[in-house]
Amino acid sequence: AQSVTQPDIHITVSEGASLELRCNYSYGATPYLFWYVQSPGQGLQLLLKYFSGDTLVQGIKGFEAEFKRSQSSFNLRKPSVHWSDAAEYFCAVGPTSGTYKYIFGTGTRLKVLA
Amino acid sequence: GAVVSQHPSRVICKSGTSVKIECRSLDFQATTMFWYRQFPKKSLMLMATSNEGSKATYEQGVEKDKFLINHASLTLSTLTVTSAHPEDSSFYICSAGTSGGNYEQYFGPGTRLTVT
Repeated sequence: AQSVTQPDIHITVSEGASLELRCNYSYGATPYLFWYVQSPGQGLQLLLKYFSGDTLVQGIKGFEAEFKRSQSSFNLRKPSVHWSDAAEYFCAVGPTSGTYKYIFGTGTRLKVLA
Repeated sequence: GAVVSQHPSRVICKSGTSVKIECRSLDFQATTMFWYRQFPKKSLMLMATSNEGSKATYEQGVEKDKFLINHASLTLSTLTVTSAHPEDSSFYICSAGTSGGNYEQYFGPGTRLTVT
């Protein structure tokens, strides 16, 4: 079955420290992979996406993610975290079952210490 | 580009009444729209998929008579919560996709529904 796992429910880092958020997926074909960020009470903002090609993807706000087929992973990274990065982060995979449907991970809540 | 709006952003209604939430694609034609529900501190739960001009496809466990979805045009889908109850209080998010083949969804800002 297709699934997305974000193993870390909460992560706390100090401002200026590096960040890595993990995402593992189970998918029968080459997936489309996405990372979204959600601030409290807000909708989802796309950080970056992977469809094909270069496995290292650059996104907005200084984020990047690397697609590793052998590990079924698409981890999100940022070299230096800012206090404004505190939010909920969701990994998603799609399409599924020949539709546009996404499967979302359960999310990782990032806390940034000043 | 690819902006999706939702209206209202917040709504409070009394138990037993119905409330309609609109989802609009502002600068593109959305052949497919999705409605999600998000509980506090939880992930998004897909409720239904709607294609313009056809009936919505509901996910298992979602009551189609309670959550009425209409995708009347390529830029507008509506979700009507009928006979709302406090347990329907939630954050509802819509998204829209095009037929371009990249299967990307563009998300609206969400609607906070509170049923008193």
